[in-house]
Amino acid sequence: KAGVTQTPRYLIKTRGQQVTLSCSPISGHRSVSWYQQTPGQGLQFLFEYFSETQRNKGNFPGRFSGRQFSNSRSEMNVSTLELGDSALYLCASSPLGLGQPQHFGDGTRLSIL
Amino acid sequence: DQQVKQNSPSLSVQEGRISILNCDYTNSMFDYFLWYKKYPAEGPTFLISISSIKDKNEDGRFTVFLNKSAKHLSLHIVPSQPGDSAVYFCAASGPTTYTGANSKLTFGKGITLSVRP
Repeated sequence: KAGVTQTPRYLIKTRGQQVTLSCSPISGHRSVSWYQQTPGQGLQFLFEYFSETQRNKGNFPGRFSGRQFSNSRSEMNVSTLELGDSALYLCASSPLGLGQPQHFGDGTRLSIL
Repeated sequence: DQQVKQNSPSLSVQEGRISILNCDYTNSMFDYFLWYKKYPAEGPTFLISISSIKDKNEDGRFTVFLNKSAKHLSLHIVPSQPGDSAVYFCAASGPTTYTGANSKLTFGKGITLSVRP
């Protein structure tokens, strides 16, 4: 069974630009969640999507947004990039939601210059 | 406001001995707890979980203990092996509802375990 796939693996952007990250969940998983990992803050929950709807949200500004498609694939968008957005962005999926073990992809490393 | 805390940043143990990783939480709405293991350049891998209705869950060499009154959980690895060397994250979610809404998954900052041969 294929795991969670995130693309691209690495990305370099400059301040003020926007970026879109992609996540393909495990087949059959309807819940997709996103996380930001930085050395100082650790792993922080961004949001969770289920059946194309954002169901849960962490404490990030509105520059961070996402969406989920009918095939459960998900995208995360960050607008007006700041230096502090440099991080590893992880996507995870599960059959039904956050009350189950999450299966993580290997992440997208975003660097802001 | 760090709701899940792993106060020790690192732990070193001898191969074959027990590794005990600790985690504290503050939010009484959490009702599901997990441990993940992470190698560099890879995503976290699920290890073991426990629901708040239990106080112990065991899976092979891994056992998680939950003390709800103390808001404390621990992961025991027995016996420890060099391949266990990684960063271990404690995580908590809740409240678990029928709709799945109003929940979030909160992670500790991780502890680096080194198992010496």
